[in-house]
Amino acid sequence: QKEVEQNSGPLSVPEGAIASLNCTYSDRGSQSFFWYRQYSGKSPELIMSIYSNGDKEDGRFTAQLNKASQYVSLLIRDSQPSDSATYLCAVMEYGNKLVFGAGTILRVKS
Amino acid sequence: GAGVSQTPSNKVTEKGKYVELRCDPISGHTALYWYRQSLGQGPEFLIYFQGTGAADDSGLPNDRFFAVRPEGSVSTLKIQRTERGDSAVYLCASSPETGRADTQYFGPGTRLTVL
Repeated sequence: QKEVEQNSGPLSVPEGAIASLNCTYSDRGSQSFFWYRQYSGKSPELIMSIYSNGDKEDGRFTAQLNKASQYVSLLIRDSQPSDSATYLCAVMEYGNKLVFGAGTILRVKS
Repeated sequence: GAGVSQTPSNKVTEKGKYVELRCDPISGHTALYWYRQSLGQGPEFLIYFQGTGAADDSGLPNDRFFAVRPEGSVSTLKIQRTERGDSAVYLCASSPETGRADTQYFGPGTRLTVL
């Protein structure tokens, strides 16, 4: 059973701080990794994808991938109250299906 | 453009009844996926269509669950003899054939409650 693990949180950070969200995965052959944001009662929304080791930046978001350690992270700079949501890490398996972690709840306090 | 749409948004049924959940993917998207999300969990894969055929149905929990996509666009997830444990949000996603083919765009989901 291929697994994706995330700390459920909640992770609380003050407004303007950096939020760091982490994820580990079990399938060493995985090649595609995604971060989705899910507001309460809403569907997942893709915010970042990453395929190569290293960092990928998009606005206030930075995804980091370390395939040797089977570790993916998401950094959110200058956190805003509107960033408060559940962040889902997903790994793509053979056949295009996504395996999701249970998600980390992020709370940004103003 | 229009995103993935799902109907109904909410469905309440009694144990033992049959339900159908509908998904309209983004126009032109050839791949369509069904996931199920229980409270406090991430989405769990059910089935994946490429065109009209089910390319992978390994996530369907048992033979009470069935899905079709007869014309390669709209898909219907069918659940027979519903059980209380089937209560969850059923999410549909689609992705394009080219370009960002690995990017899945989710619909708003159908919340199924089995009493």
